Amino acid sequence: DAGITQSPRYKITETGRQVTLMCHQTWSHSYMFWYRQDLGHGLRLIYYSAAADITDKGEVPDGYVVSRSKTENFPLTLESATRSQTSVYFCASSGNQETQYFGPGTRLLVL
Amino acid sequence: AQSVTQPDIHITVSEGASLELRCNYSYGATPYLFWYVQSPGQGLQLLLKYFSGDTLVQGIKGFEAEFKRSQSSFNLRKPSVHWSDAAEYFCAVGGDSSYKLIFGSGTRLLVRP
Repeated sequence: DAGITQSPRYKITETGRQVTLMCHQTWSHSYMFWYRQDLGHGLRLIYYSAAADITDKGEVPDGYVVSRSKTENFPLTLESATRSQTSVYFCASSGNQETQYFGPGTRLLVL
Repeated sequence: AQSVTQPDIHITVSEGASLELRCNYSYGATPYLFWYVQSPGQGLQLLLKYFSGDTLVQGIKGFEAEFKRSQSSFNLRKPSVHWSDAAEYFCAVGGDSSYKLIFGSGTRLLVRP
């Protein structure tokens, strides 16, 4: 009964490094989402995916890359991390209705 | 443009008092409406949702919300707040075929003993 998990839960990296945040769900939900949460901005959508091999940009996609080779996984990659990408990242999934279920989050610090 | 406004950044209530958190939305189609709660250091948990039908919806932890189309509002209420309700609350709207949600900026609830 794992639901939706994210790893790592905490990450410290340096500017310019590549970082990959993992998201895994066990419900076979079609839709998956990546958000970032920053003070004063609430949750902003980075990328989302309607199914395996189908992804699309959200509100703030610059500097991020996603892939979805399997339904259950939706990794988010920061190709060259910047300080402005310091944030809390949430993954979510959704089945055949609009309700999204969230993972516990990854706290990322870019030095 | 589609948007969600939560006009109160912070709200403080005494334990046992009633609570109402405001949410206003702007959405072109029939909206699906949600309230989520986030405890410190945690992910978001769904409190309740409205898709259609009865405009007063009941959720978990004793929360309810009322959809008022004429006011474009979906306010969250609880008759008696408990200290464990201290958290951040997010209103969200969706309803197009993309399954995307638009979130408000959140309201942080503080509970006085």
